[in-house]
Amino acid sequence: GAVVSQHPSWVICKSGTSVKIECRSLDFQATTMFWYRQFPKQSLMLMATSNEGSKATYEQGVEKDKFLINHASLTLSTLTVTSAHPEDSSFYICSAYSNEQFFGPGTRLTVL
Amino acid sequence: GEDVEQSLFLSVREGDSSVINCTYTDSSSTYLYWYKQEPGAGLQLLTYIFSNMDMKQDQRLTVLLNKKDKHLSLRIADTQTGDSAIYFCAESPLSGGYQKVTFGTGTKLQVIP
Repeated sequence: GAVVSQHPSWVICKSGTSVKIECRSLDFQATTMFWYRQFPKQSLMLMATSNEGSKATYEQGVEKDKFLINHASLTLSTLTVTSAHPEDSSFYICSAYSNEQFFGPGTRLTVL
Repeated sequence: GEDVEQSLFLSVREGDSSVINCTYTDSSSTYLYWYKQEPGAGLQLLTYIFSNMDMKQDQRLTVLLNKKDKHLSLRIADTQTGDSAIYFCAESPLSGGYQKVTFGTGTKLQVIP
C-alpha cells in the first residue's frame, strides 16, 4: 500500500526557534497533501491544504505566516513552524492524497 | 460547518464485540470513514462506506450507516487486545479532485484481557 513518511518523528526546540517538518509520499505521487494538528485527547484539525507548485490554502484561524507550507514536488511537502512557542507544542500529522488520503506517522513537537 | 461526534471512551472484554458510534451533521457527506490510531502513531484507514450503502462488512469489521439519522457505527467482532486504540469516524463530501475530511473527536477503545 501507499506509504507516507514524516521527519522528524519527534523534535524538542527552544521557544523562538523555527522547526521544519517534512512529509514524503514514498511510492506514489501526490498532487495534494494535507497538514493536520492534533491536541492531546482531541481530534485532528485540518490546518492547510497543500498543492504542488502553488500556494497552500489555510483553514480559518491558522496563521499562514506562522505555519509556512511548501509543496516543492509531487512527493514532498514541508511545514515550518516559525518562531515556535510552547502553545505550538502538538502532534502534527500530514496526509497525501491519491484516490484516498494516506496518513503519515506524525511528528511530536515540544517547544520549551 | 460540518460536525462529527463520538463518545470518548469504550471498554470491552477480550472476545466480546465492540460497537463504536458516530453521528454527523453534513447532509452532503458522501464518504464515511473509520480510522484507527495507535498510541504515538498516525492514522490507519480501517474501512469506509459510501453514503448509498447501508452496511459494509470486512472480516471482523462491520459498518452500519443510517443515513436518515446520520448515524454511523463500527462493530468489531471478537475484540482482541491489539484492537486497543483510538477510533476516529470521519466524513467527506465528493469535492473535486480531493476530499476535505472532517474527523470526529475519537473513541478510545480499551480491551480488557
